[in-house]
Amino acid sequence: KAGVTQTPRYLIKTRGQQVTLSCSPISGHRSVSWYQQTPGQGLQFLFEYFSETQRNKGNFPGRFSGRQFSNSRSEMNVSTLELGDSALYLCASSPPAAQDGYTFGSGTRLTVV
Amino acid sequence: QQQVKQSPQSLIVQKGGISIINCAYENTAFDYFPWYQQFPGKGPALLIAIRPDVSEKKEGRFTISFNKSAKQFSLHIMDSQPGDSATYFCAASGNFGNEKLTFGTGTRLTIIP
Repeated sequence: KAGVTQTPRYLIKTRGQQVTLSCSPISGHRSVSWYQQTPGQGLQFLFEYFSETQRNKGNFPGRFSGRQFSNSRSEMNVSTLELGDSALYLCASSPPAAQDGYTFGSGTRLTVV
Repeated sequence: QQQVKQSPQSLIVQKGGISIINCAYENTAFDYFPWYQQFPGKGPALLIAIRPDVSEKKEGRFTISFNKSAKQFSLHIMDSQPGDSATYFCAASGNFGNEKLTFGTGTRLTIIP
């Protein structure tokens, strides 16, 4: 079955711009989580959506936001980009029984210049 | 309280040897402990997971050992192969995996011939 699809794979943006990243979860998975991965901070939780509602939120500024659509696809938006936002952004989806594990996409590599 | 400490940061093991990666957690509410494997350019992939009601779980060459009283768990890779060379992350979650994953800082494992 198809995995978690993230688009685009790579992005280069300028400071101050905004960016939208997209994630299509595995069919049947209703929970979508976003993580930021950097060499310095590792994997940091951004937020989780379930049935179009934000269920959990990490400790990131309000510039980071997300949403989930009725088909479970999710988008993440970062406004007023800063150099420190350069990272690999990972999306993960999980089935109703979360113990079956999160499946991660390959990520979107965002570079802010 | 939410931290998961992982060691070592990097590990070099001879082919056929045993690779051991350790993690410790503080939050006693954690009740789901997965290990993820990440190859360059890919997202983390679930390797094996354990609940605190068992002290060991084995899947093929991969074993998790869990010590609830010490709040520690470890990953053992038996008969390590060059294809196992990757970065390994331990993680922890509450509510049987339904809460966000808190990740360790990662271990870069290199298997040499």
